[in-house]
Amino acid sequence: GQQVMQIPQYQHVQEGEDFTTYCNSSTTLSNIQWYKQRPGGHPVFLIQLVKSGEVKKQKRLTFQFGEAKKNSSLHITATQTTDVGTYFCAGLGGSNYKLTFGKGTLLTVNP
Amino acid sequence: SQTIHQWPATLVQPVGSPLSLECTVEGTSNPNLYWYRQAAGRGLQLLFYSVGIGQISSEVPQNLSASRPQDRQFILSSKKLLLSDSGFYLCAWRGGPLRNNEQFFGPGTRLTVL
Repeated sequence: GQQVMQIPQYQHVQEGEDFTTYCNSSTTLSNIQWYKQRPGGHPVFLIQLVKSGEVKKQKRLTFQFGEAKKNSSLHITATQTTDVGTYFCAGLGGSNYKLTFGKGTLLTVNP
Repeated sequence: SQTIHQWPATLVQPVGSPLSLECTVEGTSNPNLYWYRQAAGRGLQLLFYSVGIGQISSEVPQNLSASRPQDRQFILSSKKLLLSDSGFYLCAWRGGPLRNNEQFFGPGTRLTVL
């Protein structure tokens, strides 16, 4: 079945440093979504990418969808302590009903 | 506006005991509903999803079951809990294309099986 790999599993940065997490799917995706889960909380939707090569920005966050629609990345510029949490990618593939989540990247930020 | 409720928030159960977790959604009709489990420090594992009343799709064979007796109610059950059933259980509903197809998660239930 469809698999979504996400790296790294953990990332610790100093406040102000940049951060990137990468997502790769074993199959072509119709779209990819990104979620953020704060410690002790539930995942919250950040964004959806649909088009090949699409790039979207939300303030310090930049999301990219690969040309082949099999990989994606989330880049955070100048991290802040409020960025702490686990970032998940989730792909929508052959089934229109279910997302396949990556295992997430846990980001910790040292103030 | 739409809201999703889950209860209880935390639960401690002995091995072999039954389980019933409930999820309800307000403010939308005929939602796609999902149950996920998240083990400590791990990713989200899809357990069940439902596209309508009485329609359940199981993703992972295990000792859990799900039911959807009403349009906006989704129940996760077990007859006999195992230690490996411990985890964070999340219910979610999915918005349609006008909502970016995003999934809205409930607050979750933290289950500890002893």
